Amino acid sequence: KQEVTQIPAALSVPEGENLVLNCSFTDSAIYNLQWFRQDPGKGLTSLLLIQSSQREQTSGRLNASLDKSSGRSTLYIAASQPGDSATYLCAVRKDSNYQLIWGAGTKLIIKP
Amino acid sequence: GAGVSQSPSNKVTEKGKDVELRCDPISGHTALYWYRQSLGQGLEFLIYFQGNSAPDKSGLPSDRFSAERTGGSVSTLTIQRTQQEDSAVYLCASSPWHSYEQYFGPGTRLTVT
Repeated sequence: KQEVTQIPAALSVPEGENLVLNCSFTDSAIYNLQWFRQDPGKGLTSLLLIQSSQREQTSGRLNASLDKSSGRSTLYIAASQPGDSATYLCAVRKDSNYQLIWGAGTKLIIKP
Repeated sequence: GAGVSQSPSNKVTEKGKDVELRCDPISGHTALYWYRQSLGQGLEFLIYFQGNSAPDKSGLPSDRFSAERTGGSVSTLTIQRTQQEDSAVYLCASSPWHSYEQYFGPGTRLTVT
């Protein structure tokens, strides 16, 4: 059974720092992996999707990497801003169907 | 354009009462998903609709939970005889045909007292 773990559960850093959020999964046979951002009262927003054949994806100040063999993904945020404060969730898709298996998230606070 | 909307945003109910949660997906999106998020937990898949059909109901936690979708649009998640463990945020998402991109609504926070 696929399990997704995100550590730490919470992280607080000063504005301007670069930071890394971690996601690990127990079954390396995944189809793709997604990172989402969750803001209170606003639902979830997809940030990056990495196919199983890819090693990384970039969007602006965000870079997500994927190492299937070790069951790990990281989300790198460069030059953090207070507006980056949110909960970041990763989710893996086992095969080409729709089902996502979710981590519990990392709550990120960027201090001005 | 309009995103996914859910109503109510908050619902407090007494144990044993029935509740209905509503989801309005993005117009034209054929797929609709319901998830449950308990405090400190990841999202738990409940049910998936393709059009009005629900090919996968495997995530529904008990027979007290049911969902329907009409006209390929609005969906209602019904919880009968609510229990305290049903307290959670219920999230709805929709996606276009053959897309992995799920667009989420703001959720309904359900509190069972």
